[in-house]
Amino acid sequence: AQSVTQPDIHITVSEGASLELRCNYSYGATPYLFWYVQSPGQGLQLLLKYFSGDTLVQGIKGFEAEFKRSQSSFNLRKPSVHWSDAAEYFCAVGARDSGAGSYQLTFGKGTKLSVIP
Amino acid sequence: GAGVSQSPSNKVTEKGKDVELRCDPISGHTALYWYRQSLGQGLEFLIYFQGNSAPDKSGLPSDRFSAERTGGSVSTLTIQRTQQEDSAVYLCASSFRDRGTYGYTFGSGTRLTVV
Repeated sequence: AQSVTQPDIHITVSEGASLELRCNYSYGATPYLFWYVQSPGQGLQLLLKYFSGDTLVQGIKGFEAEFKRSQSSFNLRKPSVHWSDAAEYFCAVGARDSGAGSYQLTFGKGTKLSVIP
Repeated sequence: GAGVSQSPSNKVTEKGKDVELRCDPISGHTALYWYRQSLGQGLEFLIYFQGNSAPDKSGLPSDRFSAERTGGSVSTLTIQRTQQEDSAVYLCASSFRDRGTYGYTFGSGTRLTVV
């Protein structure tokens, strides 16, 4: 079964600083990988996704993520954080070509990002 | 509609009562998912509907939980004899293809509080 680990429960950065949120996954084959963001009281919004091809994926709001197969990682980065980026971020892994079975995403427990003005 | 709609947005219920949570997916999305998000936890998969196929109920935590999807569109998640540990945010998502090629679109959730 697939699993996702987000080692950092809470990260605080200063506005304008760079950001990297860590995500490690466990899956027997090449996975689908996703990053979602959740603002307080809101649902989850898709930031970016990786299916195949270029291992550096660009997303919305200036975010990017890099798939590293050798490290089973899919870390999220942003070169300069804005105060509006304060939210909770979830990494997720999905089964690739699950065939006749069901398909669902397995989520990490999330990393809460606080931004200091 | 333009997005996934969930109702109610908040629900407070007494322990032992039954509750129904509603999800209206994006028009044309054939796949619909329910997840539960407890405080400090990630998202826990509950159930998955794909078209007219039998739903995948493998994530439902007990037989007090059930869900249906009528006409391949609106879904209702029912929790019978609610317990305090059922308190959580219940999120619904839909996707265009069952393998999630385009990713899920989530609703804003229903925050359930059992007192």
